[in-house]
Amino acid sequence: KQEVTQIPAALSVPEGENLVLNCSFTDSAIYNLQWFRQDPGKGLTSLLLIQSSQREQTSGRLNASLDKSSGRSTLYIAASQPGDSATYLCAVRGGADGLTFGKGTHLIIQP
Amino acid sequence: DGGITQSPKYLFRKEGQNVTLSCEQNLNHDAMYWYRQDPGQGLRLIYYSQIVNDFQKGDIAEGYSVSREKKESFPLTVTSAQKNPTAFYLCASSGTGDSPLHFGNGTRLTVT
Repeated sequence: KQEVTQIPAALSVPEGENLVLNCSFTDSAIYNLQWFRQDPGKGLTSLLLIQSSQREQTSGRLNASLDKSSGRSTLYIAASQPGDSATYLCAVRGGADGLTFGKGTHLIIQP
Repeated sequence: DGGITQSPKYLFRKEGQNVTLSCEQNLNHDAMYWYRQDPGQGLRLIYYSQIVNDFQKGDIAEGYSVSREKKESFPLTVTSAQKNPTAFYLCASSGTGDSPLHFGNGTRLTVT
């Protein structure tokens, strides 16, 4: 059974810093990996999707990498801003039954 | 605009009552999913459906039921058999294969 782990569980950094969020998964047989953002009390916003054949995806200040063989992904946030404060969720898709989620990293960017 | 609509946003029920959460999508997606989120927990899969009139149990299906009579709609009923129904419920849909999942804004259910 697929398990997804996110480290750290919480992170607080000053504005302007570059930061890395980590995600690991136990079964490398995946279709793709998605990174989501969740604001308090809200639904999920998809940030980046990496297909299993890809190594990375970029959107603005966000860059996500995927190393399927080692079961790892990282989300890199450049020049962090207070508006980046949210919970970031990593999820992998292994088949028809949708996504398996990690518990998330709660990120606070201090002004 | 295409998207997923969940209603209502907040729902309050007394213990022992069944309650149905609505999920509608106009993305023409074949697959739909229901997840539950508890504080400090990741999302857990309740039920999913890949096609009309067919659905499968996820990891935590006990105390829940679903129907898929139309491609656009996938309602979730939380029955009185669900021991801890208070949670945040999220609906999602996707195309086939390796397509990404798209999520609604969720329904927060409180049972007292």
